[in-house]
Amino acid sequence: KQEVTQIPAALSVPEGENLVLNCSFTDSAIYNLQWFRQDPGKGLTSLLLIQSSQREQTSGRLNASLDKSSGRSTLYIAASQPGDSATYLCAPGKLVFGAGTILRVKS
Amino acid sequence: GAGVSQTPSNKVTEKGKYVELRCDPISGHTALYWYRQSLGQGPEFLIYFQGTGAADDSGLPNDRFFAVRPEGSVSTLKIQRTERGDSAVYLCASSLNPGLAGARYNEQFFGPGTRLTVL
Repeated sequence: KQEVTQIPAALSVPEGENLVLNCSFTDSAIYNLQWFRQDPGKGLTSLLLIQSSQREQTSGRLNASLDKSSGRSTLYIAASQPGDSATYLCAPGKLVFGAGTILRVKS
Repeated sequence: GAGVSQTPSNKVTEKGKYVELRCDPISGHTALYWYRQSLGQGPEFLIYFQGTGAADDSGLPNDRFFAVRPEGSVSTLKIQRTERGDSAVYLCASSLNPGLAGARYNEQFFGPGTRLTVL
């Protein structure tokens, strides 16, 4: 059974910092890994999807990497802004999610 | 070009009652997923449809939960004899066609959820 761990559970940083959010998973037999953000009381918004054949994917200030063999993915957020404040969730494969990292960016 | 929609947005019911939650996926998406989310947790998988059939229903917690997708588009999640422990946000997602390789076929898009409260 796939188990997903996201570290840290919560993070509070001043505006402008570069951030690293970590996702580890136990079953490396995945076809892809997706990162989402969730604002309070809202559904999930897709940020990036990395296919198993890829090592990284970029969208604007976001960069996600995937190391299947070690069961790890990293979401890098450059030059963080208060609008980035949300919960960030990873989903290795399509049906299992981590508990998320709660991010607060202070202005 | 609408996204995934879910109705109602909020549902309050009494213990023992029957409820139905509806999901309208993105037009043309063959796959539809139901999850539920409790406070402070990630979404927990319930059931996944490919077309009209349930491809994986291993996440349904017990036989009080049932879901249908009769025409391969709209889906209804049905909960019988609701219990207080069923209170959660029920999320629906769809994807184009997870049977095919490629990000555009596998990316999941979520609706805003239905908040179910069982008193």
